[in-house]
Amino acid sequence: GAVVSQHPSWVICKSGTSVKIECRSLDFQATTMFWYRQFPKQSLMLMATSNEGSKATYEQGVEKDKFLINHASLTLSTLTVTSAHPEDSSFYICKLNTEAFFGQGTRLTVV
Amino acid sequence: AQSVTQPDIHITVSEGASLELRCNYSYGATPYLFWYVQSPGQGLQLLLKYFSGDTLVQGIKGFEAEFKRSQSSFNLRKPSVHWSDAAEYFCAVTGDSWGKFQFGAGTQVVVTP
Repeated sequence: GAVVSQHPSWVICKSGTSVKIECRSLDFQATTMFWYRQFPKQSLMLMATSNEGSKATYEQGVEKDKFLINHASLTLSTLTVTSAHPEDSSFYICKLNTEAFFGQGTRLTVV
Repeated sequence: AQSVTQPDIHITVSEGASLELRCNYSYGATPYLFWYVQSPGQGLQLLLKYFSGDTLVQGIKGFEAEFKRSQSSFNLRKPSVHWSDAAEYFCAVTGDSWGKFQFGAGTQVVVTP
């Protein structure tokens, strides 16, 4: 069964608004979660590492003020895309640090 | 730095024929290797993984992969493809078992009747 639940599966938002994506660990206490991004027709790239109780660490080129990560509990990490623009349209997917399984992913479309 | 190369961007195969997807990695130590499949608009499904031991790994959906250290390869194979195998396939590597993954560019598999 699924060990990672990601919500929502897809979302459409207007340019300039913010969108929150949740990644929930169902069976494990995850002190670390990973957020990846996949642009259309491209591979997956790590965006950031979410650490429970501390600040996330971001990969080079990822704006930390735009992609806010909160990991307030051992089972939930959230990614908020702030002031979204069409170029942020992508597939966002999370992963625990305890399994090889990924969440179902969230397809974000900014119009 | 670790890296993964999938030389074939696109492969077309007839239904019932065999399939082999190539994956080459670059990593200083023993890597942990994975193959995932992604159908259009869907998330990633784990096909198989290799950590250590037997270099021939069996996965789901009839897939297998062979780890060849001398060639830095981890190629994915299936003896007889089905139309439902049409998808994008990604090879991934990490240096610790569940840590940060480095993905290959992916191989798009098209299955013809």
